[in-house]
Amino acid sequence: QSALTQPASMSGSPGQSISISCTGTSSDVGHYNLVSWYQQHPGEAPKLVIYEVSQRPSGVSSRFSGSKSGTTASLTISGLQAEDEAYYYCCSYAGSGTLVFGGGTKLTVL
Amino acid sequence: QVQLVQSGAEVEKPGASVKVSCKASGYTFSSYDVSWVRQAPGQGLEWMGRISPYKGNTKYAQKFQGRVSMTTDTSTSTAYLELGSLRSDDTAVYYCARDYGYSFGIWGQGTLVTVSS
Repeated sequence: QSALTQPASMSGSPGQSISISCTGTSSDVGHYNLVSWYQQHPGEAPKLVIYEVSQRPSGVSSRFSGSKSGTTASLTISGLQAEDEAYYYCCSYAGSGTLVFGGGTKLTVL
Repeated sequence: QVQLVQSGAEVEKPGASVKVSCKASGYTFSSYDVSWVRQAPGQGLEWMGRISPYKGNTKYAQKFQGRVSMTTDTSTSTAYLELGSLRSDDTAVYYCARDYGYSFGIWGQGTLVTVSS
């Protein structure tokens, strides 16, 4: 499968809201409500911040939210904080037990 | 606490094989699938495949078919990833992750595999 498409980089000021898009196809993002999002700081393992499109794991800030429309999923971070500066990756179920990641988005908090 | 602890860094020559382990603790190992994800230097995440410890069923990404093997030992709650015919572009950090509903809530700390002659 081809990787999901994410913007390579995004930036925002503290307190602002930003949305990171993740575009797939009708065979993955568009077909299943099984999109997850991961935050990764340099040198660390990824951390799950959203699963099943819009569900937030216990302990994850309510500033993180997820949605989907057609073949595009989105991660929204409200009230940006310095600690949100990281790489963000989307991931979707692609059928037959397989998964596909997005290329990742580097978020800079100005 | 729930955690996955992986084996240490490896250096291998091109054409060789490498085996990475991932020991689970704090939960019932057989109740969750384990996926393996790798990340080449400066690159994104790449899903390699998954294994069900309960049934031993595996599913590999097409890219790795034929040179990857995932196994588990339920007696020690350990999952293993073996990758053969190593090339320089297999140099990466390899992560195991607890896979529940096709999302990864728990990750190992990662194992750096360097392929170099």
